[in-house]
Amino acid sequence: QVTLKESGPVLVKPTETLTLTCTVSGFSLSNARMGVSWIRQPPGKALEWLAHIFSNDEKSYSTSLKSRLTISKDTSKSQVVLTMTNMDPVDTATYYCARYIVATQFDYWGQGTLVTVSS
Amino acid sequence: SYELTQPPSVSVSPGQTARITCSGDALPKQYAYWYQQKPGQAPVLVIYKDSERPSGIPERFSGSSSGTTVTLTISGVQAEDEADYYCQSADSSGTYALFGGGTKLTVL
Repeated sequence: QVTLKESGPVLVKPTETLTLTCTVSGFSLSNARMGVSWIRQPPGKALEWLAHIFSNDEKSYSTSLKSRLTISKDTSKSQVVLTMTNMDPVDTATYYCARYIVATQFDYWGQGTLVTVSS
Repeated sequence: SYELTQPPSVSVSPGQTARITCSGDALPKQYAYWYQQKPGQAPVLVIYKDSERPSGIPERFSGSSSGTTVTLTISGVQAEDEADYYCQSADSSGTYALFGGGTKLTVL
C-alpha cells in the first residue's frame, strides 16, 4: 500500500525558512520510474507544482520559485525534504507531496499540510 | 511561459453530460492528466495519458484529445461528481509539471 505523509510546522513567520518532510511507504525512493514531488494550493486557489526529485537525485524546480526552493531525499529513511526560504504571507497554502511517475502523472498524494505564514 | 487554460466553472443537471476543456500549446506533444478534488481532500487521479482511466474510477469518466485541447467528459453526472477538476501536463521537454487553473463542476 502506497502512502505519503507530510510533516512540518503549521505556522511560520515572514522571512523564515520553511522545511517540510514527506515520509513515504509502499515504494522505494530508489525506483527508477518514480519520483516525489511537492505541490501547493493556497486557500481557494489552484494547485501549483513546486519541485520534483528522482531516484538518480535529479531535481527540477518551478521556474518562478527556483531561487527559494531546495528539494532533497534520504532514501534510507524514505523521506523527501523541501525547503523554501524567505516565506511570505502569500505562501500560505496546503502543501502536498505526491508520487510522480516519471514524465507522467501524480498517482498517489499525501493528505496535505496547511502552512500559515504570519507574524 | 507555458500555461494550461481551463474554464473556471461548468454547471450541469444530474444525468446530463459535463465537458471540461483544457488548452495548452504543448498538449499535442505531452499527455494530459485529470484530477478530481473535493473540499478538504487531496486530488485524485481520474484520467491519465489523455484518455486512460485508473482502476476504481467509474466508467462515466472519460478523456479525449484534439490538437491543443484535451477534454474531460463525465457522462450521466451524479451529485457526488461535484468537485474541482484540474488538468495537468508537462512542458515540451517533460522537465516541468504544471496544472491548469481548475474548473468547478456544479451539479444543479
